[in-house]
Amino acid sequence: DAKTTQPNSMESNEEEPVHLPCNHSTISGTDYIHWYRQLPSQGPEYVIHGLTSNVNNRMASLAIAEDRKSSTLILHRATLRDAAVYYCILTSGGTSGTYKYIFGTGTRLKVLA
Amino acid sequence: NAGVTQTPKFQVLKTGQSMTLQCAQDMNHNSMYWYRQDPGMGLRLIYYSASEGTTDKGEVPNGYNVSRLNKREFSLRLESAAPSQTSVYFCASKALKGYTFGSGTRLTVV
Repeated sequence: DAKTTQPNSMESNEEEPVHLPCNHSTISGTDYIHWYRQLPSQGPEYVIHGLTSNVNNRMASLAIAEDRKSSTLILHRATLRDAAVYYCILTSGGTSGTYKYIFGTGTRLKVLA
Repeated sequence: NAGVTQTPKFQVLKTGQSMTLQCAQDMNHNSMYWYRQDPGMGLRLIYYSASEGTTDKGEVPNGYNVSRLNKREFSLRLESAAPSQTSVYFCASKALKGYTFGSGTRLTVV
């Protein structure tokens, strides 16, 4: 299974943009890049996902490198509510065709008021 | 709009006791999953079910059994609990764009 590498922690000031990096040098051509975040004492929640092109939604933007070996989750204006652990995950279809998420330890984002 | 519901939210077991963690989803999803999360760690896949009537092992299946009772429900059973199974357990179901997770069951085995 393709693995991802993320920094253990990052800090950001409130109202400023945050760029969360993820390296996935062994990604295969059919792997999607997913981002989830986990707020304290909650289950993970979906943020965004993409394959090759950059993606935007109401929560964040996903910038994918041209060679797909890295990606960056962009929070345009961090708020205190964005303090969470952010996971970058590659899908792993397996023989059943069911996506099995393999979680790493993620990046703990601290937002400073 | 409940999403994924897990019961119980908290449980304390003695070593050797058994229990079943319940999970139900109301989104008509085919695939369901059980993960565990130890302190300071990411989630690890225990078992998953691609569809009703099928189950498969994940990364850490030892000590657990599962049942996909119907399309809505996917239960996780600990036959003989051990302290190493102290963890937070998350159930999830899969939509087109990604997973929906439950709020977790915090299990302590003493």
